[in-house]
Amino acid sequence: EVQLVESGGGLVQPGGSLRLSCADSGFTFSSYWMSWVRQAPGKGLEWVANIKYDGSEKYYVESVKGRFTISRDNAKNSLYLQMNSLRVEDTAVYYCARYRSPLDVWGQGTTVTVSS
Amino acid sequence: DIVMTQSPDSLAVSLGERATMNCKSSQSVLYSSNNRNYLAWYQHRPGQPPKLLISWASTRESGVPDRFSGSGSETNFTLTISSLQAEDVAVYYCQQYYGTLLTFGGGTKVEIK
Repeated sequence: EVQLVESGGGLVQPGGSLRLSCADSGFTFSSYWMSWVRQAPGKGLEWVANIKYDGSEKYYVESVKGRFTISRDNAKNSLYLQMNSLRVEDTAVYYCARYRSPLDVWGQGTTVTVSS
Repeated sequence: DIVMTQSPDSLAVSLGERATMNCKSSQSVLYSSNNRNYLAWYQHRPGQPPKLLISWASTRESGVPDRFSGSGSETNFTLTISSLQAEDVAVYYCQQYYGTLLTFGGGTKVEIK
């Protein structure tokens, strides 16, 4: 069964950092682009970042550029999102998803709360 | 960036009746070289991850009931639920994947009347 499992969410103060992880199973991770998508409380879905299957291309929504970094380790079948300089408005459920034009497999999500 | 606009924000439909929602993109998402619209629809139920229903504007994913259908081209798209079931209560999002930066619409919340 194709599955994605996120981890690493939690409570962090404004200005702090957090690293999210996403582990896959059931498919050839290294063959696919991957994405992070988030949903803030009471809001809609917002795409955050994409990474090419070999890590050579990365794209970000404007609001996280320079603060978030998407990366992957194909040997470990894992996707990451390093989040620095966190703001209250980054509070959300963060989902990883397989980007097979479009986003066809999603994890259950991990919650990030930025609050003092 | 391509801006996606959905309407209405919410709709209430009786069980067994038709539900129709719209999605408009700020520029065409039709790629001329392959004549494909880079437009997807997702269903998002509370407490669950989003589920891909339709890709390429009108191609249903495997296992998606045939009461769900997508139509439209270039900048105007529609998702129709032909006979609403109780399990269809959810928020529905359109999303373009034409550009390298993906964007979602604001969502349409579907409820039972």
